[in-house]
Amino acid sequence: QKEVEQNSGPLSVPEGAIASLNCTYSDRGSQSFFWYRQYSGKSPELIMSIYSNGDKEDGRFTAQLNKASQYVSLLIRDSQPSDSATYLCAVNRDSGGYQKVTFGTGTKLQVIP
Amino acid sequence: NAGVTQTPKFQVLKTGQSMTLQCAQDMNHNSMYWYRQDPGMGLRLIYYSASEGTTDKGEVPNGYNVSRLNKREFSLRLESAAPSQTSVYFCASSRASRSPLHFGNGTRLTVT
Repeated sequence: QKEVEQNSGPLSVPEGAIASLNCTYSDRGSQSFFWYRQYSGKSPELIMSIYSNGDKEDGRFTAQLNKASQYVSLLIRDSQPSDSATYLCAVNRDSGGYQKVTFGTGTKLQVIP
Repeated sequence: NAGVTQTPKFQVLKTGQSMTLQCAQDMNHNSMYWYRQDPGMGLRLIYYSASEGTTDKGEVPNGYNVSRLNKREFSLRLESAAPSQTSVYFCASSRASRSPLHFGNGTRLTVT
């Protein structure tokens, strides 16, 4: 079982729709959860951080965390063609004095105009 | 504010050659990381440095060495490059425990 699992996609949604990206993780000791966006040929950039159960909203983005189910999701409202990218889920736990940050392989999102 | 700066951006090596990838951050972060990214494999940790003067192995350290020169700089060295080390390399830093990583722009390395 992979430590962080994501559907590789591509996930295709029409412009203006809601895109829903999902991630599951195996380490119950995980403490911090991040979503990164990566455009082709570019470096990952942080979109959202979430640390406690529930929802966290930032503009068109909402991150959802359910530690009991070991599940993290990212909702993108009013999807735009510029949102087309690969979205990486990352999970973090303190491990012997350093941050063990494990990434999923990413979900490719395509927003169709 | 440059953030995390990596050099070079591109590099082509022949098998057996050596090189050093440079990374510097100006955010006064304690922790620094080196990742490689390969298609279908995601980002995999090579080495990390929790603080100045300390380094430790990550998931895929074989064939690499690192130096945390000071708080700002963290270099990655390939002593004898192999085709399996063809990849995109990212340096990252973080302020503290539970903080997100900030990435450099990456180095695209090809070993022939």
